[in-house]
Amino acid sequence: AQSVTQLDSQVPVFEEAPVELRCNYSSSVSVYLFWYVQYPNQGLQLLLKYLSGSTLVESINGFEAEFNKSQTSFHLRKPSVHISDTAEYFCAVRNDYKLSFGAGTTVTVRA
Amino acid sequence: DAGVTQSPTHLIKTRGQHVTLRCSPISGHKSVSWYQQVLGQGPQFIFQYYEKEERGRGNFPDRFSARQFPNYSSELNVNALLLGDSALYLCASSLIGPAGTNEQFFGPGTRLTVL
Repeated sequence: AQSVTQLDSQVPVFEEAPVELRCNYSSSVSVYLFWYVQYPNQGLQLLLKYLSGSTLVESINGFEAEFNKSQTSFHLRKPSVHISDTAEYFCAVRNDYKLSFGAGTTVTVRA
Repeated sequence: DAGVTQSPTHLIKTRGQHVTLRCSPISGHKSVSWYQQVLGQGPQFIFQYYEKEERGRGNFPDRFSARQFPNYSSELNVNALLLGDSALYLCASSLIGPAGTNEQFFGPGTRLTVL
């Protein structure tokens, strides 16, 4: 079975500083990887996804993630965060009909 | 277009009761999945339905059941509620079923509190 490990449970960061959220997966087959964001008291929103092709994927709001097959990682990065990026971030791997999520990383951006 | 909608938004029940949660997928989407998110954890897969048939089930007891209607909306039922069933229940819809790489779109969730 495929699984996901998010290595940091909480990441405090100052506004305009860079941030990296680490995600490792275990899989013996082709993987489809996702990052979701959850703002307080809301559902999940897809941030970006890797299905195939280029190993670097980008979102419209400045986040990017790189698929690294040799290290089985899919780390999420943003070069400069805003207060509005305060949220919980989930890495997920698709396994046939379901998504398997990591435990989440809480990002708190401070002024 | 409306996104995935869920009702109710909040619900308080007592142990032993039964609860029904509802989900309406995005128009045109034929697949609905249910996830349970306990506070401080990532969502856990409960069920997937496609074309009104169960296509996948997670590691949940038989107290959990679901169904999908001809209009592709879905209900999640939980019997004999336990304190540990307190969670945010998320519904996700997608265009097609288990095959393919189609994206799952999530609703805002139903917050269930069991006292």
